[in-house]
Amino acid sequence: DAGVIQSPRHEVTEMGQEVTLRCKPISGHNSLFWYRQTMMRGLELLIYFNNNVPIDDSGMPEDRFSAKMPNASFSTLKIQPSEPRDSAVYFCASSLRLAGENYEQYFGPGTRLTVT
Amino acid sequence: GDSVTQMEGPVTLSEEAFLTINCTYTATGYPSLFWYVQYPGEGLQLLLKATKADDKGSNKGFEATYRKETTSFHLEKGSVQVSDSAVYFCALVSGGSNYKLTFGKGTLLTVNP
Repeated sequence: DAGVIQSPRHEVTEMGQEVTLRCKPISGHNSLFWYRQTMMRGLELLIYFNNNVPIDDSGMPEDRFSAKMPNASFSTLKIQPSEPRDSAVYFCASSLRLAGENYEQYFGPGTRLTVT
Repeated sequence: GDSVTQMEGPVTLSEEAFLTINCTYTATGYPSLFWYVQYPGEGLQLLLKATKADDKGSNKGFEATYRKETTSFHLEKGSVQVSDSAVYFCALVSGGSNYKLTFGKGTLLTVNP
């Protein structure tokens, strides 16, 4: 199994540009999560989907952030326009389901975003 | 709401030393508890978990016991190795949180040879 796949691994962009991060969850997993990790704030959940439907986007910092999951094998997190304070590592994770005894989230390797 | 508090790092140990990283939690109902590990430049990996009180999770020599009376899930390892150097995150999931994982801030462990 390839695990959760994220692209790109590194992104450097200028302030004001649009940034799109991509995620392919593990095949057969029904839930997908987007996290942001910074030194100051630690690991923050931005949004999660279940069966391609956004369940909770209360962690999305502002309207500049949007996420979609058009099908079970692909999700995007978009920042438009980007700002230097958006610089962080963004992780995507997937799980088979949202609860249960064998509940586990599998994380991708992350995308390191730098906005100059 | 749910929250996880873990000891602040960094923690620096010599190889073969005993490791304890403290973790306490506040949650609705009966959460499941997890320890995740993040090696440099990588995503988080599940290290161990426990789903009910008095359960002990274990993996790769690490252990943690779900203590409901003290709301704790401390991570221990009897003899650390250089390869254990990483950031360790305590986390929980409860029905009260709509099944979202709530993470602690992470503890950086450095093991010197």
